[in-house]
Amino acid sequence: EVQLVESGGGLVQPGGSLRISCAASGFIFNRHWMSWVRQAPGKGLEWVANIREDGGEKNYMDFVKGRFTISRDNAKNSLYLQLNSLRAEDTAVYYCAREKESSGRRLMAFDMWGQGTVVTVSS
Amino acid sequence: DIVMTQSPDSLAVSLGERATINCKSTQSVLYSSDNKNYLAWYQQKAGQPPKLLIYWASYRESGVPDRFSGSGSGTDFTLTISSLQAEDVAVYYCQQNYDARWTFGQGTKVEIK
Repeated sequence: EVQLVESGGGLVQPGGSLRISCAASGFIFNRHWMSWVRQAPGKGLEWVANIREDGGEKNYMDFVKGRFTISRDNAKNSLYLQLNSLRAEDTAVYYCAREKESSGRRLMAFDMWGQGTVVTVSS
Repeated sequence: DIVMTQSPDSLAVSLGERATINCKSTQSVLYSSDNKNYLAWYQQKAGQPPKLLIYWASYRESGVPDRFSGSGSGTDFTLTISSLQAEDVAVYYCQQNYDARWTFGQGTKVEIK
């Protein structure tokens, strides 16, 4: 089955750390850029970071730069997000999303999403 | 970063009627090298992850009903639902994929009148 499954969310204190994961299956993982997108309770979507197929390029939104690190392990078909120095405003559902690709070309849109993992930052 | 602004924030449309959502970017998302607008539309139903409807501003994703269409270029874009169905109740988001740091609009909630 073609799917993305996130895991690793939970309750963490302000200033704490967490590592969330996304397991991909049913498609050739190393052919796709991957992203993390988050959604705070009752709010809209917010792109967080992305990573190139080979892990050689990474981009981040300013509000997480220096605190979060995106990575991937193509041998394990897995995407990760290391979250450090967490703040209350980082509380959200974190989605793993796959970029649409066709014949090696990025089509610049997310054609597959996971169900999300919930990260709650609170004391 | 490119800021995406949608209008309206919400709208209520009768079943079978047309729904129109607008999205405006603070700078052009037209990529000159391939003449594509790097603008996507997503539908998010309650309790579900988003679903891709439209990419490159007007290309419908496989499996998406043809009542959904996208138009526009440069900085101004529109998502149109030609005949609203009950299952179209959702929040709709535009997203620019032009800049290295992608940004979404704030969302437009579509309801049945």
